[in-house]
Amino acid sequence: DARVTQTPRHKVTEMGQEVTMRCQPILGHNTVFWYRQTMMQGLELLAYFRNRAPLDDSGMPKDRFSAEMPDATLATLKIQPSEPRDSAVYFCASAPGDGANVLTFGAGSRLTVL
Amino acid sequence: AQSVSQHNHHVILSEAASLELGCNYSYGGTVNLFWYVQYPGQHLQLLLKYFSGDPLVKGIKGFEAEFIKSKFSFNLRKPSVQWSDTAEYFCAVIPTDSWGKLQFGAGTQVVVTP
Repeated sequence: DARVTQTPRHKVTEMGQEVTMRCQPILGHNTVFWYRQTMMQGLELLAYFRNRAPLDDSGMPKDRFSAEMPDATLATLKIQPSEPRDSAVYFCASAPGDGANVLTFGAGSRLTVL
Repeated sequence: AQSVSQHNHHVILSEAASLELGCNYSYGGTVNLFWYVQYPGQHLQLLLKYFSGDPLVKGIKGFEAEFIKSKFSFNLRKPSVQWSDTAEYFCAVIPTDSWGKLQFGAGTQVVVTP
């Protein structure tokens, strides 16, 4: 089965620390998404890329969050500095970019900021 | 901007009962519609999708959904649930002319009791 791989699966850190989450999309998928899931807000789209170019990051707090795709096999989401309110599960998803928009999700990175 | 509404936040039912989860969206144009399922502690998985054609679509695990364009609805059904259907269910919508802007509903937590 083709999978979206995310690391780390769990991360506990202290407020103010930098956090980097990584995602390896399914080979051949050219669209990559970052979602954040919390009890209060549900699933929020933070950013997405197509052919490695950022298309929309309007859902992302610009002052502390950044998302990049250094190459086609790696997407990163960085928080610096992290805050307790960033505690959430961060999901990466990829899609083949064929117009069908069928997303395959990774297992998520559960972040706890103390 | 489009929005997705799921009518119930929590549903509790017994095994063998029938399930119907409501989903309405607000967008005047053509849309692709999805139901995703998230089992406890897991990532989102595609349950079924509708792009065009027969408005009654069948997905995995005995689920089906009906697209009613006039009502802007895409309700999910299962005639007889099992304990293993305990999960959170998300409706998602994307306009066909909008790359990446997959909008999720708030989710419905379904608990099936033995």
